[in-house]
Amino acid sequence: DAKTTQPTSMDCAEGRAANLPCNHSTISGNEYVYWYRQIHSQGPQYIIHGLKNNETNEMASLIITEDRKSSTLILPHATLRDTAVYYCIVRVAPGTPGNNRKLIWGLGTSLAVNP
Amino acid sequence: GAGVSQTPSNKVTEKGKYVELRCDPISGHTALYWYRQSLGQGPEFLIYFQGTGAADDSGLPNDRFFAVRPEGSVSTLKIQRTERGDSAVYLCASSSGLAGRGETQYFGPGTRLLVL
Repeated sequence: DAKTTQPTSMDCAEGRAANLPCNHSTISGNEYVYWYRQIHSQGPQYIIHGLKNNETNEMASLIITEDRKSSTLILPHATLRDTAVYYCIVRVAPGTPGNNRKLIWGLGTSLAVNP
Repeated sequence: GAGVSQTPSNKVTEKGKYVELRCDPISGHTALYWYRQSLGQGPEFLIYFQGTGAADDSGLPNDRFFAVRPEGSVSTLKIQRTERGDSAVYLCASSSGLAGRGETQYFGPGTRLLVL
C-alpha cells in the first residue's frame, strides 16, 4: 500500500500558485519524498524530490515540514499545461540494505488549472 | 537527449494470444523497471532489472508474464495467453542505478494494451 495520502482533486486559477499537500506520517529517516505528475495519456514525469531540506528546481518547489510527516509541492505560476495527476511517493535511498527500488503509487491528486 | 522509448504505442490483441512489449531505456542507464497502470489507478510495479538480471520480479502477477533484458539495455515484456484483465498501460522506466541521493526513475510514454 502507498505510504502517502493526498487529496483526490484540486483546482487552481491560471497564473496563481498551486499548492499540493501530501501526508506521509509514517516516513522513515532514510526515506525520500518524490513527486511525479502524469498528464493525460502520457507517462509519469519526474518533478522533484527531497529528504529533509526544501528543494527548488525549474519546475517546482518542495517544502518538507520539520518533522517530515508532510510536504507541499508548489507550482509557483500554474499554467493550463500543468493540469495533470500529481503523485507523492516515499522510498528509501538506493543502496540502503534491504532496499527494493520499486515506486509504490497511490491515486494522486488530480489538479485542474482553470483559465 | 533521447528519453525512454516504448513500442508499440498501442497494441490490440485477442484473448489467448501472445504479445511482446519493448522498452528502450535511456542510454547508459543500468536499471530498468516495468509498471502496469489500469484506468484511474496509479502505476503498479511489475519487475526491476539491474543490468541483465531481474533483481526484483515480485510484482509479476502470474507465470503468464515474463520479462528479459539479455544485453542489459533493451527489455521485452512478454505476456502469454492474454486475458481481458491484462488490458492496461504498460510503463517502462529507467534510472542510472547508482546508489546515492535520489536515483530518479524516468518513464517512457507507455504501451496501451487492449485484449478483446
